[in-house]
Amino acid sequence: DQQVKQNSPSLSVQEGRISILNCDYTNSMFDYFLWYKKYPAEGPTFLISISSIKDKNEDGRFTVFLNKSAKHLSLHIVPSQPGDSAVYFCAAIKFGNEKLTFGTGTRLTIIP
Amino acid sequence: GAVVSQHPSRVICKSGTSVKIECRSLDFQATTMFWYRQFPKQSLMLMATSNEGSKATYEQGVEKDKFLINHASLTLSTLTVTSAHPEDSSFYICSAPLGESQTYIQYFGAGTRLSVL
Repeated sequence: DQQVKQNSPSLSVQEGRISILNCDYTNSMFDYFLWYKKYPAEGPTFLISISSIKDKNEDGRFTVFLNKSAKHLSLHIVPSQPGDSAVYFCAAIKFGNEKLTFGTGTRLTIIP
Repeated sequence: GAVVSQHPSRVICKSGTSVKIECRSLDFQATTMFWYRQFPKQSLMLMATSNEGSKATYEQGVEKDKFLINHASLTLSTLTVTSAHPEDSSFYICSAPLGESQTYIQYFGAGTRLSVL
């Protein structure tokens, strides 16, 4: 049962434009959602998170939006830069259970 | 800089040998650490939760006798793949939550690529 899903395995975006990565979840009990960035042969790097009681969190070029009614979150990167090319994982966690549940990842390629 | 250190980054071994992977929290104590496995082009799958001072908790389908976990101190957890076989070849990653105020954020090691010949 895949509780966190990223339906787009890949995404290509022109440099300077906005990248929008999407994530859907099925478990309404999640308390926090996180986005991680991963380069090949490296561990994931934490990017940004959002509490389930919020609908938006912004940090520099990264903004995460949460739509609880739709059980959907998205990561916006603007402007996109070549160094943003990586695999992006969304993840969710429920307090009291420290385990992260990861989505399947979206490979983002920024085209110069 | 890195807050979680993982060693080695790459291991190539013969079938039947055991391999130990270390995960250290740098400058903070981690009573809990997590071990993940990632197959090519797939998501990170949680294998087990490493608990300092007690037994590890394994996810369903993960053989605890195959993947031995020892949380020796508040800064060190080790994963030993015993009698490794080619199907154990994978990318293994550990993580730890940084602090009490943000336990929901886990920081990851750089991962270990295990290749069993």
